[in-house]
Amino acid sequence: QKEVEQNSGPLSVPEGAIASLNCTYSDRGSQSFFWYRQYSGKSPELIMFIYSNGDKEDGRFTAQLNKASQYVSLLIRDSQPSDSATYLCASSNFGNEKLTFGTGTRLTIIP
Amino acid sequence: NAGVTQTPKFRILKIGQSMTLQCAQDMNHNYMYWYRQDPGMGLKLIYYSVGAGITDKGEVPNGYNVSRSTTEDFPLRLELAAPSQTSVYFCASGLAASGANVLTFGAGSRLTVL
Repeated sequence: QKEVEQNSGPLSVPEGAIASLNCTYSDRGSQSFFWYRQYSGKSPELIMFIYSNGDKEDGRFTAQLNKASQYVSLLIRDSQPSDSATYLCASSNFGNEKLTFGTGTRLTIIP
Repeated sequence: NAGVTQTPKFRILKIGQSMTLQCAQDMNHNYMYWYRQDPGMGLKLIYYSVGAGITDKGEVPNGYNVSRSTTEDFPLRLELAAPSQTSVYFCASGLAASGANVLTFGAGSRLTVL
């Protein structure tokens, strides 16, 4: 079974520090990887996606992909209380438009 | 531009009742999805569609049915509701041409089966 694994947390990070969220996947055919943020009681919203090995930066967010280790991460720099949410990792295969989601990591930024 | 619109937002059903969750998108996306999310869990794919007239099962299709007669609409039908179908249901749409299938989600429909 194709799986995306995340530590459910909660992960507590002081305001201003770097939050590091991790995700592993079991299907070597996975090509694209997504990070969604979900506030309590709300729907998921896309933060970033990545499909090439290495880093991809967007403002305070950096996604990292290591296909050899089957590992994806999301770094949030200068963490703010508004970053407190559940972060969902998802993967999809090339030509397969179904996304497989992990169970999410709950992040709390402590003022 | 409303994005993805789901109705109703909340619904309580009795065991054995049936209902339809409505989903509409105005972004001309070809892909549409129905996910369910149980408390503290990730999203499980119920059904998806790659275009009008084409639907396919996801991970957890039992107890549900869908249709896609137009590009815009993708209703989810629950037949003979069971307590195990108590969940939050999210409809999403995506455009494959974007290079990766980036999904836009609706606000969700919270269903309770008693």
